[in-house]
Parts: sequence; structure tokens; C-alpha cells
Amino acid sequence: EIVLTQSPNFQSVTPKEKVTITCRASQSIGNSLHWYQQKPDQSPKLLIKYASQSFSGVPSRFSGSGSGTDFTLTINSLEAEDAATYYCHQTASLPLTFGGGTKVEIK
Amino acid sequence: EVQLEESGGGLVQPGGSLRVSCAASGFIFSGHWMTWVRQAPGKGLEWVANIKEDGSEKYYMGSVKGRFTISRDNAKNSLYLQMNSLRAEDTAVYYCARGGSSICLDSWGQGTLVTVSS
Repeated sequence: EIVLTQSPNFQSVTPKEKVTITCRASQSIGNSLHWYQQKPDQSPKLLIKYASQSFSGVPSRFSGSGSGTDFTLTINSLEAEDAATYYCHQTASLPLTFGGGTKVEIK
Repeated sequence: EVQLEESGGGLVQPGGSLRVSCAASGFIFSGHWMTWVRQAPGKGLEWVANIKEDGSEKYYMGSVKGRFTISRDNAKNSLYLQMNSLRAEDTAVYYCARGGSSICLDSWGQGTLVTVSS
């Protein structure tokens, strides 16, 4: 099973600040890594697919990078509506797995 | 617009059974893998099972193999998860999502809560 390790687990950030979340895979997964945003009491929403492709309708301040085992989600100029938990997810091999999540709080 | 709507959740005793459903609309259901993902209260996301477009391939997480069955009815644009021998640790919100196998999950339903308790 491929283990995804996200860091940090929690981040408290001021609006307009830049946020960087990392996801490390226990083995190489190419670019089969996706990022989701989940706001309280809502279902997850796809932000970034295949490491760096923005999903339709996602604000341009969200971007992804990486390949192999190390991946990054970046939120440029954080807005109040970005308060959420962010998850990475790999589809390189079964069982499909998710990272433990990174909760982003707005100061 | 892609829409996924889960139903069928509820309270069930340990050892009991429950079937949750997902009604799909706004896209060609028979052309997509589908997946069930669950989230225990206050916890992260956990993949449960997925099924190929025509139902010919099905995959499960280890702890539900032999207890849960994923199925679909393409004529009814519906996805199902039959859950037997339920345990307390199966308590979670169950989401259906479009995608699976090597494909990202690009649309999610609102989820249905399954509580296993006596």
C-alpha cells in the first residue's frame, strides 16, 4: 500500500499569505497525485489533478507541482474562503489512498 | 451539471446490513468508473471500493472485502454499496464519487451517514 504523508497537519495563516502543503508518497507514483479541498460539513472538491493540472473552475491562486514521491499544493494570496482541510490522493495503484489532511485556518 | 445524490444511510446494529445508493445525473453514467469513499466522524478520507464502467471489475479495501459489495445499474444511472456484517468501525459518511482506477475523483455527492451502534 502506498502511504501518503502530508505536512503540516495544521496551519494558521493570515489572509494574502502564501500557503504550501506537501505530500510525500512512500514509493514513486509518477504524476498520479490529486488534491482536494473539504470545507466543514461539505463534501470534498477536486482542486488539482495529475499533480499540476488545475481542475475546471478552480481559482488560479491554487497550483500544484511535483512528480515521483514529492508533491506540493500552493495557495497564493490566501483568501478567507480557503479555510478548509486539504487532502492529497494517489491513483497509481490499489488500494487507492489519501493523505491524512492539512487543516488551514485563517488568523 | 454533474450531480450525485446518496441515500439509504441510517442507524444499524453491529452485525446488521444496509444498502446505500447513489443516483447520478448530468453525465453519461455508463462511461465512468465510480467509487465509494468514506469518512469517519472527525477523521480523514478512506477509499472503500470502486467499479468499472460496465461492472466487470470491482476492487475493495482490505477491511471490507467479503462484507461489502459494490454494484451499479447503468439503466437506472445508479451506484450501490451493500454492506453486511457491519461493525462499529464502519461508522462514517459514505460518499460516492465519479472516477476511480487510475482516474481522479472529479465529482462527489453530499454523502450519507451510516452509524453502526447498539
